Amino acid sequence: DVKVTQSSRYLVKRTGEKVFLECVQDMDHENMFWYRQDPGLGLRLIYFSYDVKMKEKGDIPEGYSVSREKKERFSLILESASTNQTSMYLCASSPGLLYEQYFGPGTRLTVT
Amino acid sequence: QKEVEQNSGPLSVPEGAIASLNCTYSDRGSQSFFWYRQYSGKSPELIMSIYSNGDKEDGRFTAQLNKASQYVSLLIRDSQPSDSATYLCAVRDPTSGGSYIPTFGRGTSLIVHP
Repeated sequence: DVKVTQSSRYLVKRTGEKVFLECVQDMDHENMFWYRQDPGLGLRLIYFSYDVKMKEKGDIPEGYSVSREKKERFSLILESASTNQTSMYLCASSPGLLYEQYFGPGTRLTVT
Repeated sequence: QKEVEQNSGPLSVPEGAIASLNCTYSDRGSQSFFWYRQYSGKSPELIMSIYSNGDKEDGRFTAQLNKASQYVSLLIRDSQPSDSATYLCAVRDPTSGGSYIPTFGRGTSLIVHP
């Protein structure tokens, strides 16, 4: 079974803090993704990585950065957390460009 | 801008009935199609993937793809209350500037009542 894990299920941070969200997959997948999900807005792609050290902006990259130094790990960084970044953050991985995605359990981030 | 459209619902069906969930997509070049189930407060989980026209069956689930009509559907036979969830349709294709980014619909809420 594919396993995608995320570093925290729940996280509370203060405005202005630098926040790191980590995602690890154990299936040697090429592609990894970071989404946020908000009620009524669906899944919105923040960043996408199709290979180690490669990244591509998604629909809403502003205020975020990513790092992929190793194939199995994809990190999302909130440079200076703001209250409008309060959301559910979902990581996913995929074995290839046209294949299915497997999601981690999500991190519910609250910025106060 | 690629679009994937789903009726938000809720779709309400009685236990034991067939639930039919529909999805249309805008990009004629789309090549791979997926259905995910998402329970409230949880992350999406893959139910079915389909790549060619026709039907694909897996247990109580059947995915149907019609590329000419740009339409993909999910049938759930013998619906159970545990099937109550939001169902997300997703599409991936190699023509969106080479980015291969999946496009998700906003999901259809399904309620199966006893």
